[in-house]
Amino acid sequence: EIVLTQSPGTLSLSPGERATLSCRASQSVSSSYLAWYQQKPGQAPRLLIYGASSRATGIPDRFSGSGSGTDFTLTISRLEPEDFAVYYCQQYGSSPSTFGQGTRLEIK
Amino acid sequence: EVQLVQSGAEVKKPGESLKISCKGSGYSFTSYWIGWVRQMPGKGLEWMGIIYPGDSDTRYSPSFQGQVTISADKSISTAYLQWSSLKASDTAMYYCARQPHSSGWYYYWGQGTLVTVSS
Repeated sequence: EIVLTQSPGTLSLSPGERATLSCRASQSVSSSYLAWYQQKPGQAPRLLIYGASSRATGIPDRFSGSGSGTDFTLTISRLEPEDFAVYYCQQYGSSPSTFGQGTRLEIK
Repeated sequence: EVQLVQSGAEVKKPGESLKISCKGSGYSFTSYWIGWVRQMPGKGLEWMGIIYPGDSDTRYSPSFQGQVTISADKSISTAYLQWSSLKASDTAMYYCARQPHSSGWYYYWGQGTLVTVSS
């Protein structure tokens, strides 16, 4: 199965700053079948990005995804207070689908 | 409006059986795959498996194959996740989610079912 490694484990930034989160796959993710989710305490995950770079319905354009093959990035251009949460990547190009271990984005 | 509504929290003893549910509404239940995702306390998301309610085609992660059973009753638009003999390590939040095809992302999620297994 494909192992997804997210970095950093924790990212400390201030509102207004730019956040760059990485997701690296142990083998190539076919057709860029990679998604990103945001999860806040006590809530189900929320889909942000699918197909590596397509924003889900209702997601602000400060969130963007990029990458292909084994290296993917989620960028939040200007952090808002509500963006501080845990972020997960998921590959769904190979069975079984797998998630990364998460990156915690915390307020500095 | 698409909704996935899961059954309520459960407290069970080791060795007991359990079946939790996920009821879909607001869309054609038989046309979309339903996946199950585990989240152990304080940990990340783990993909368990999926089912296509239209024909009950089911696929499991090797990590969960033989440990759980995924099923669906299309007549009542409900998917299930069941255990025959719970262990303390099954304590977790379990989410169902809808995916657009056999390999896909999850836009719609249930609210989660917390399963606690303790003697």
